[in-house]
Amino acid sequence: NAGVMQNPRHLVRRRGQEARLRCSPMKGHSHVYWYRQLPEEGLKFMVYLQKENIIDESGMPKERFSAEFPKEGPSILRIQQVVRGDSAAYFCASSPPVAGVAETQYFGPGTRLLVL
Amino acid sequence: AQKVTQAQTEISVVEKEDVTLDCVYETRDTTYYLFWYKQPPSGELVFLIRRNSFDEQNEISGRYSWNFQKSTSSFNFTITASQVVDSAVYFCALIKGFGNEKLTFGTGTRLTIIP
Repeated sequence: NAGVMQNPRHLVRRRGQEARLRCSPMKGHSHVYWYRQLPEEGLKFMVYLQKENIIDESGMPKERFSAEFPKEGPSILRIQQVVRGDSAAYFCASSPPVAGVAETQYFGPGTRLLVL
Repeated sequence: AQKVTQAQTEISVVEKEDVTLDCVYETRDTTYYLFWYKQPPSGELVFLIRRNSFDEQNEISGRYSWNFQKSTSSFNFTITASQVVDSAVYFCALIKGFGNEKLTFGTGTRLTIIP
């Protein structure tokens, strides 16, 4: 059973470009979460999605950031017009659809974004 | 709002020593879940343990043990007979409520095992 897949593992962008980060959850998992880890800091929640729905986006910056989890295909975290402050590790996690219980979130290897 | 505090920023111990990593949490919810994750130098996040608020039993898994005390809002993690492979950043985290929600992480403790 493959774990959470993220690609690319490393991404370099120049200021003003767009960054697209992909996440394929574990098989059987329909809940996806995105977290950001700034250098030497802990992880901060960004967004929680289920198939075709954004459940909680309270941690997403209001501008330039968007996320989706379509019916088919991976979840995408999109950052438009990147700035140097967007340089960070972006982690995706997934959990199974069990109601009434906070299931364990399993993390992907992360995407390291560097903005030049 | 919930909060997780890991007061120890960095710890260094000599190999084979025991080491305890502290985690203190705050939440108004009576139902919540606590987690520990390990982030080795390679950078991935590895799940270690999940514990719900109704289960205060301590847990042991090999050289790892966890002490959950609701009276002090703590969920401490002990590594016995530490090894160099235990060198990593360890994160404590919390989910409030019944369902699937966001993890609130502590700032992590960087553990270095000196050979």
